[in-house]
Amino acid sequence: GAVVSQHPSWVICKSGTSVKIECRSLDFQATTMFWYRQFPKQSLMLMATSNEGSKATYEQGVEKDKFLINHASLTLSTLTVTSAHPEDSSFYICSATDRRGYNEQFFGPGTRLTVL
Amino acid sequence: SQQGEEDPQALSIQEGENATMNCSYKTSINNLQWYRQNSGRGLVHLILIRSNEREKHSGRLRVTLDTSKKSSSLLITASRAADTASYFCATDNQGAQKLVFGQGTRLTINP
Repeated sequence: GAVVSQHPSWVICKSGTSVKIECRSLDFQATTMFWYRQFPKQSLMLMATSNEGSKATYEQGVEKDKFLINHASLTLSTLTVTSAHPEDSSFYICSATDRRGYNEQFFGPGTRLTVL
Repeated sequence: SQQGEEDPQALSIQEGENATMNCSYKTSINNLQWYRQNSGRGLVHLILIRSNEREKHSGRLRVTLDTSKKSSSLLITASRAADTASYFCATDNQGAQKLVFGQGTRLTINP
């Protein structure tokens, strides 16, 4: 149980294009989902917290107009990187907490974004 | 902002030896968690220890927590090549739902 999937697992795009990454909780309802980015050999940095049906809360320094987050249902959150640039190349990981309120976050397998 | 500091940043040991990783944090917490990440993959939850617990075991894993020193350690006994990965501690930062991750320890188990 408690499986989180991400799609796509990797994506290569041209500079200036937008990329959408999906995060799904497969076997549980997630009231809250989190989006992280991770640069090579570095730790995870929280980008934003996403609650179903409401606007995402972004961490300081994260551009909300560049990283659009939508959490339309209890099992799906999307991150759209708009007008991507090479510096946006990174590993993006989502996580979700079970609606039953457990402390544990369940992580997706991550999406590798490369912007040319 | 990152509040967790982990040491060592990298650790290389022989298979069968024990591996110890340490984590320090700055604010009050409700719990501390340890995760494993294989290269280029997502995170796997290993163990959660609550602030009122001092030690917890799970298989070959032993976690300690010292809230007075704001530190935790993860011990992996009888290491295996498959334990090669990065290990991160994460705290809930005064009970907030979001996690703050440490810098991580890259563990290499040599056969």
